[in-house]
Amino acid sequence: SQQGEEDPQALSIQEGENATMNCSYKTSINNLQWYRQNSGRGLVHLILIRSNEREKHSGRLRVTLDTSKKSSSLLITASRAADTASYFCATDPNTGNQFYFGTGTSLTVIP
Amino acid sequence: GAGVSQTPSNKVTEKGKYVELRCDPISGHTALYWYRQSLGQGPEFLIYFQGTGAADDSGLPNDRFFAVRPEGSVSTLKIQRTERGDSAVYLCASSPGLAGGYFDEQFFGPGTRLTVL
Repeated sequence: SQQGEEDPQALSIQEGENATMNCSYKTSINNLQWYRQNSGRGLVHLILIRSNEREKHSGRLRVTLDTSKKSSSLLITASRAADTASYFCATDPNTGNQFYFGTGTSLTVIP
Repeated sequence: GAGVSQTPSNKVTEKGKYVELRCDPISGHTALYWYRQSLGQGPEFLIYFQGTGAADDSGLPNDRFFAVRPEGSVSTLKIQRTERGDSAVYLCASSPGLAGGYFDEQFFGPGTRLTVL
């Protein structure tokens, strides 16, 4: 089953614009991670944010986490055509040893 | 260094047959994960190994699915009596291990695309 759900399902923007995608999840977590998947290829880890953190930056990526709302957002600034991919949030519930991915946001950056 | 590798990259089989999918994790990684991904969906957790033991196999859909990691490195996912609904991309990932008891960054292989006719 999917623990998380991303919103929107699909997003299309112009190169240079910012892209924001959101993730909601169901149960309490230890940490939340974001991954990128280019078409037909494996997943690549982007960033990890722990449950006691509220915001984290990595290059053009900014992630926020609101544990009270069970939600996270991923902001990609100054987008590039190479950012075109599907983005997934993934959570590590603190109730066991599973790891759950969301349904994904498909981002298209138009050159 | 070498990343996670999976073989075969593609597997076509007939309904009812047995298949084995192999995963070679990054050397030294104690944690290994199997996922299944259908078109347009996120990866679905199947099983997680810490060392040689399955720490959690709650994601395996039914008893036709089984995974082993006998020496704590290479893992094999085994599917008996395959069904058309088993068709998907099977992903393997590894990570150094539980960092402070929490899941850390996972490194994914390219996946095995399984097609059951």
